[in-house]
Amino acid sequence: QKEVEQNSGPLSVPEGAIASLNCTYSDRGSQSFFWYRQYSGKSPELIMFIYSNGDKEDGRFTAQLNKASQYVSLLIRDSQPSDSATYLCAVKTGNQFYFGTGTSLTVIP
Amino acid sequence: EAGVAQSPRYKIIEKRQSVAFWCNPISGHATLYWYQQILGQGPKLLIQFQNNGVVDDSQLPKDRFSAERLKGVDSTLKIQPAKLEDSAVYLCASRNAYNEQFFGPGTRLTVL
Repeated sequence: QKEVEQNSGPLSVPEGAIASLNCTYSDRGSQSFFWYRQYSGKSPELIMFIYSNGDKEDGRFTAQLNKASQYVSLLIRDSQPSDSATYLCAVKTGNQFYFGTGTSLTVIP
Repeated sequence: EAGVAQSPRYKIIEKRQSVAFWCNPISGHATLYWYQQILGQGPKLLIQFQNNGVVDDSQLPKDRFSAERLKGVDSTLKIQPAKLEDSAVYLCASRNAYNEQFFGPGTRLTVL
């Protein structure tokens, strides 16, 4: 079983819609959770992180964490074409960071 | 604040040759990571340094890969000899006190 699993997509949403990206992880001892955005041919850039159960909002982005279900999600409100990218979920377990394979998002104008 | 620097940006070598990558982390970041990202996959951790000591190298193929961070700042990752399956982007990242990792632009390695 992979440490971090994501739907590879592609996920397509119209401009202005809400994009919902999901991630599950296998280790209940995982402490912190991160969402990265990676444009094609570029390196990952951090969008936000979450440590505690519940929601965390930052502008158009909301991260949601449910440790009981071992589930973390990212909502992007008012999606823009510039949000088209691959979104990577990363989980910190002990000293290790584990990345999912990413979900490809396309926002259609 | 300057970001993570890496060089070279691109490298093409033949199998069985050796190659080295260089990384300079964000100033003040004690923790440095090297990742391998194969096309279509997420980054895979190869090695983690805390200052000049190795914290985790459990996924580093030690028969051909080596890495060092002698003065606790710059780091080099070496592959000797390279195999076809080593073709990937090699990413360096450094981490701040809030566990936020910042990635460099990466080195795209092609092994022919």
